[in-house]
Amino acid sequence: DAGVTQSPTHLIKTRGQQVTLRCSPKSGHDTVSWYQQALGQGPQFIFQYYEEEERQRGNFPDRFSGHQFPNYSSELNVNALLLGDSALYLCASTLDRAEEQYFGPGTRLTVT
Amino acid sequence: KQEVTQIPAALSVPEGENLVLNCSFTDSAIYNLQWFRQDPGKGLTSLLLIQSSQREQTSGRLNASLDKSSGRSTLYIAASQPGDSATYLCARPAAGNKLTFGGGTRVLVKP
Repeated sequence: DAGVTQSPTHLIKTRGQQVTLRCSPKSGHDTVSWYQQALGQGPQFIFQYYEEEERQRGNFPDRFSGHQFPNYSSELNVNALLLGDSALYLCASTLDRAEEQYFGPGTRLTVT
Repeated sequence: KQEVTQIPAALSVPEGENLVLNCSFTDSAIYNLQWFRQDPGKGLTSLLLIQSSQREQTSGRLNASLDKSSGRSTLYIAASQPGDSATYLCARPAAGNKLTFGGGTRVLVKP
């Protein structure tokens, strides 16, 4: 049973560019959340998708957008990249409002 | 607004010593609490989930307690090993089960 998977593992982009990160949830899970973790800090909630709709959103600008597909996989898009967007981006999945969340290995984004 | 705090930010102990990691939160609402382990540059591994109706949860050498009245949770790791070196994070779900994380405690167990 595959856990949560994310791609790519690492990514280097230039300021102003756009990036797309991908996540496949754990088998049987239908809810995907995205988190941003800056170096030395705890993860910060970006948004959550359920039934292909954004259900909840954290305090992030509109440059951060997402999508969920019918197979429950999800994408995180970030436009007009800033140096401050450099972070580890984590995807978590769960079954609807079940309490325990399972995290993927993350995508390390570096913006130069 | 839910806030989660972990003190200390870093901890160094000799092998064999018991570890005590603290987590405090401001919202005493009926929510669970989850402890995670994170190795450098890696994702999060769930260690223990304490249901809101529970006072503690145990798994092997790990024991976590939850005291909603004081807004605290404690993670105990018995007989620490060098392989326990990692960052430990606590998190509480808010409405809709978005997680609010503490800043983590970075643990180093010296052989």
